[in-house]
Amino acid sequence: KAGVTQTPRYLIKTRGQQVTLSCSPISGHRSVSWYQQTPGQGLQFLFEYFSETQRNKGNFPGRFSGRQFSNSRSEMNVSTLELGDSALYLCASSLGGLSNQPQHFGDGTRLSIL
Amino acid sequence: AQSVTQLGSHVSVSEGALVLLRCNYSSSVPPYLFWYVQYPNQGLQLLLKYTSAATLVKGINGFEAEFKKSETSFHLTKPSAHMSDAAEYFCAVSDRGRTYKYIFGTGTRLKVLA
Repeated sequence: KAGVTQTPRYLIKTRGQQVTLSCSPISGHRSVSWYQQTPGQGLQFLFEYFSETQRNKGNFPGRFSGRQFSNSRSEMNVSTLELGDSALYLCASSLGGLSNQPQHFGDGTRLSIL
Repeated sequence: AQSVTQLGSHVSVSEGALVLLRCNYSSSVPPYLFWYVQYPNQGLQLLLKYTSAATLVKGINGFEAEFKKSETSFHLTKPSAHMSDAAEYFCAVSDRGRTYKYIFGTGTRLKVLA
């Protein structure tokens, strides 16, 4: 069974630009969550989608947005990039029906802002 | 609100020594608990999970964790450390309601000394 796939693996952008990251969950998984990981802040929750609806949201500004498609694939968009947005962005999927189901992570997209 | 605390952001052990990584949770109802491991430039990988069956949970790579309700703890142990165990470890909780939120600890970086 294929794991969670995130594309691209690496991305370099400049301040003010926008970026879209993609996540393909494990087949059959309906929940997709996004996290930002930085050395200083650790793992921070961005948002979670289930069946194309945002079900949970973290404390990030509106520049960070996401969506989920009918095939459960998800995209995350960051507009007006800032230097502080440099991070590893992780996507995780789960079946989503019960809270005892673990999340399965992709290898992340490393975003660098110049 | 539930939370999770990992004591010790860095832990060093000698090869062959016992590994003990600490995790305490704060929740009025015992949550579901997970341990994940992250190797450099990779996503998080599930080591083990507690979902209210046996209190001693065995995971991959020789790791195990014991759920202790009286101590609100879920510490991760391994009898004998290998060099390949050097990585960052995260404890996570998920509530038993239907919020589907996962709360991650700040992580413990394990260093294994030859």
